[in-house]
Amino acid sequence: TQLLEQSPQFLSIQEGENLTVYCNSSSVFSSLQWYRQEPGEGPVLLVTVVTGGEVKKLKRLTFQFGDARKDSSLHITAAQPGDTGLYLCAGGGTSYGKLTFGQGTILTVHP
Amino acid sequence: NAGVTQTPKFQVLKTGQSMTLQCAQDMNHEYMSWYRQDPGMGLRLIHYSVGAGITDQGEVPNGYNVSRSTTEDFPLRLLSAAPSQTSVYFCASSYEPDLGSPLHFGNGTRLTVT
Repeated sequence: TQLLEQSPQFLSIQEGENLTVYCNSSSVFSSLQWYRQEPGEGPVLLVTVVTGGEVKKLKRLTFQFGDARKDSSLHITAAQPGDTGLYLCAGGGTSYGKLTFGQGTILTVHP
Repeated sequence: NAGVTQTPKFQVLKTGQSMTLQCAQDMNHEYMSWYRQDPGMGLRLIHYSVGAGITDQGEVPNGYNVSRSTTEDFPLRLLSAAPSQTSVYFCASSYEPDLGSPLHFGNGTRLTVT
């Protein structure tokens, strides 16, 4: 079983602060996805990264895939209360059809 | 745009009862999967299917059965519910997950087994 270690598990910050969520593994993934989930709903895809060293930006969110394709990070600049939610990373490609999810990071941004 | 539809949204079962969680998608995706979500454990794969007539086990398959008779539907069956199966269950579909295609999730079924 491939493991994706996600940290921190909980993050509580004030509006305007920056934060980084990490996703680490000993396995190599062909792709890594980040999802955001709100209460009572299913996760929704934010981004997919597939190339080692790749950096993708989505407004105030920056995603990076490690050079060795074993780790990834999500950085949020100037967090807003609307960023509150559960963030999940998921790695794919090691075994067909079996995406591996991290444990999730619960982010709370206080106004 | 229905996407992935799960029913029911909530269910309470007594230990030993059986039930089927329904999942339907209208995006013509070959790949469908079932996950359970428990606090602090992320999403764990129960069963998945890469097309009609084909199913395979995920990380935590014990106690669950699936079948895939059509592209659209992928029901999950609990034959004899146990308290350990109390969880939130998500169905997801995708065009080609290993090429980085996104998983499209339903809104979940919250199951309590007493």
